[in-house]
Amino acid sequence: ETGVTQTPRHLVMGMTNKKSLKCEQHLGHNAMYWYKQSAKKPLELMFVYNFKEQTENNSVPSRFSPECPNSSHLFLHLHTLQPEDSALYLCASSQKDGTENTGELFFGEGSRLTVL
Amino acid sequence: LAKTTQPISMDSYEGQEVNITCSHNNIATNDYITWYQQFPSQGPRFIIQGYKTKVTNEVASLFIPADRKSSTLSLPRVSLSDTAVYYCLVGDIPGNYGQNFVFGPGTRLSVLP
Repeated sequence: ETGVTQTPRHLVMGMTNKKSLKCEQHLGHNAMYWYKQSAKKPLELMFVYNFKEQTENNSVPSRFSPECPNSSHLFLHLHTLQPEDSALYLCASSQKDGTENTGELFFGEGSRLTVL
Repeated sequence: LAKTTQPISMDSYEGQEVNITCSHNNIATNDYITWYQQFPSQGPRFIIQGYKTKVTNEVASLFIPADRKSSTLSLPRVSLSDTAVYYCLVGDIPGNYGQNFVFGPGTRLSVLP
């Protein structure tokens, strides 16, 4: 139990489907992140949310749409994806006091996405 | 943005001490050095963080020389369960876990029986 829970753990979808990935953190943190990890590639930061507000979008295509309704929940809405979007999508959280982090990044176990 | 360089892979045997060195020649004054561990199909897990000299916790030790241009993660008496990818990151923590906190390819450690 990492304190950051991601669902579903595995997802297979067609290119015309709409699906969502969900992340919930039970650590009382106020910053949340989406990362993408493709096979044989390093983790890539996608989005950063601080206090429910998006503060970073790392040039992510619009077919990925994040949503952060509160500091504990983060969603990644998926629409019209491509096979090359198949990857492990990781959610993370951290605690910020003002603009500073006070601890490490805590990651969930990820959602393995396969786009057919 | 401080870039890190670490070996792509390493092999070790159970019970041995493993040292993984990371180079970060352009580390900035405000940068900390952080190491994460990642098992297959799981998210990375924080191991240790330091700014200078030596830091030790129940899992590992981190050695940082005075010039801070490199650091060494030391894992004492590894077991098969330590087989994982180890990432060295340099960033302005507690400043920002965003785009300035970059995961490289890491070092794939294989522990053999």
